[in-house]
Amino acid sequence: DQQVKQNSPSLSVQEGRISILNCDYTNSMFDYFLWYKKYPAEGPTFLISISSIKDKNEDGRFTVFLNKSAKHLSLHIVPSQPGDSAVYFCAASDSNYQLIWGAGTKLIIKP
Amino acid sequence: DTAVSQTPKYLVTQMGNDKSIKCEQNLGHDTMYWYKQDSKKFLKIMFSYNNKELIINETVPNRFSPKSPDKAHLNLHINSLELGDSAVYFCASSQDPLRGGRRETQYFGPGTRLLVL
Repeated sequence: DQQVKQNSPSLSVQEGRISILNCDYTNSMFDYFLWYKKYPAEGPTFLISISSIKDKNEDGRFTVFLNKSAKHLSLHIVPSQPGDSAVYFCAASDSNYQLIWGAGTKLIIKP
Repeated sequence: DTAVSQTPKYLVTQMGNDKSIKCEQNLGHDTMYWYKQDSKKFLKIMFSYNNKELIINETVPNRFSPKSPDKAHLNLHINSLELGDSAVYFCASSQDPLRGGRRETQYFGPGTRLLVL
């Protein structure tokens, strides 16, 4: 039973445009959400996070939006750059700090 | 100046063998983890240690045994390897919230690609 779902295995976006990656969750007890970025042959690296008491968090080109009623979060990257090509994982944690991960979305930025 | 390192990066071995994967972090973190990334690319927690004590032990076969000699190291020993153990294993660490960190913000090693033949 997947508690965190990333329904798009891959996404292709033109350089300079906006990339929107989506994530849905089922457990209403999740209170903290994170996005990680992963390059091939490397471990995931933390990108941005949001607490359940907020609906938006911004860090440079990256913004995460949280819609608690829909149990949905999204990551916006604008403008998209070639170096953003990677696999993006959505993760959620509960009060035990355990992270539950989505399957990832492969983002391809076309020049 | 690697923050979380794992050795080896690649491990090819025969069924039935016993192998170990080592992990070290130089971030001064209190909590360390082992994850398994399966063929469907899901990252699943296996173990979590906080200050050398086990705090999470998901349902993994007891052929897998973590060992934490000190706060900076968490090694994974696997006995009687099986074909289904083939996966990428990631070590990670995070700072204790009582010391100003967020346990959810984890720092990962590069992964160990295990192939059991």
